Amino acid sequence: EAEVAQSPRYKITEKSQAVAFWCDPISGHATLYWYRQILGQGPELLVQFQDESVVDDSQLPKDRFSAERLKGVDSTLKIQPAELGDSAMYLCASRGTRGSETQYFGPGTRLLVL
Amino acid sequence: GENVEQHPSTLSVQEGDSAVIKCTYSDSASNYFPWYKQELGKGPQLIIDIRSNVGEKKDQRIAVTLNKTAKHFSLHITETQPEDSAVYFCAASKSGAGGYNKLIFGAGTRLAVHP
Repeated sequence: EAEVAQSPRYKITEKSQAVAFWCDPISGHATLYWYRQILGQGPELLVQFQDESVVDDSQLPKDRFSAERLKGVDSTLKIQPAELGDSAMYLCASRGTRGSETQYFGPGTRLLVL
Repeated sequence: GENVEQHPSTLSVQEGDSAVIKCTYSDSASNYFPWYKQELGKGPQLIIDIRSNVGEKKDQRIAVTLNKTAKHFSLHITETQPEDSAVYFCAASKSGAGGYNKLIFGAGTRLAVHP
């Protein structure tokens, strides 16, 4: 069964450093999402791509976060500089055709900022 | 914007009992309601979903009901087993322009099933 891949699974960094997370969606899925999940809470959308275009980044802290999906396949989420409050699970999800509403999640990247 | 509230935050049951988790949503235009199960250290996994044109859906031991008038939906798990122990999230979305849905999640329910 096809799955969403994410790396790294765990990342520890010091505040003010730069970090990057990578996501490879299920093959053929045009829509890709990045969510942030703070411990004890539900996931919150950071950014949504349709192919290579951003369609919603209203909740992305653009002063320090950036996301790209250059070829409309895999995607990178970057934080620079990291702050203590960025410690969370970063989840990637993908969705297939526009007729399907199911989002499939990857295993996530657990970030700890010291 | 859309807001989803989920109750209870924790639920403890004995193996074989039923478990019910309830969610309410604020945006009457929401038309898709999935439920996800998240085990420790893993990403959320879809377990069942329902669309606004359906009032109830069942898949083996899991069922979801939707009351559009009251804007609430519920997850029912019967004959619970220890492997059902996890955090469960409800979510709501609406099909926007171009079909780009945005999921708004509840805060989660931690279910513990005791043998």
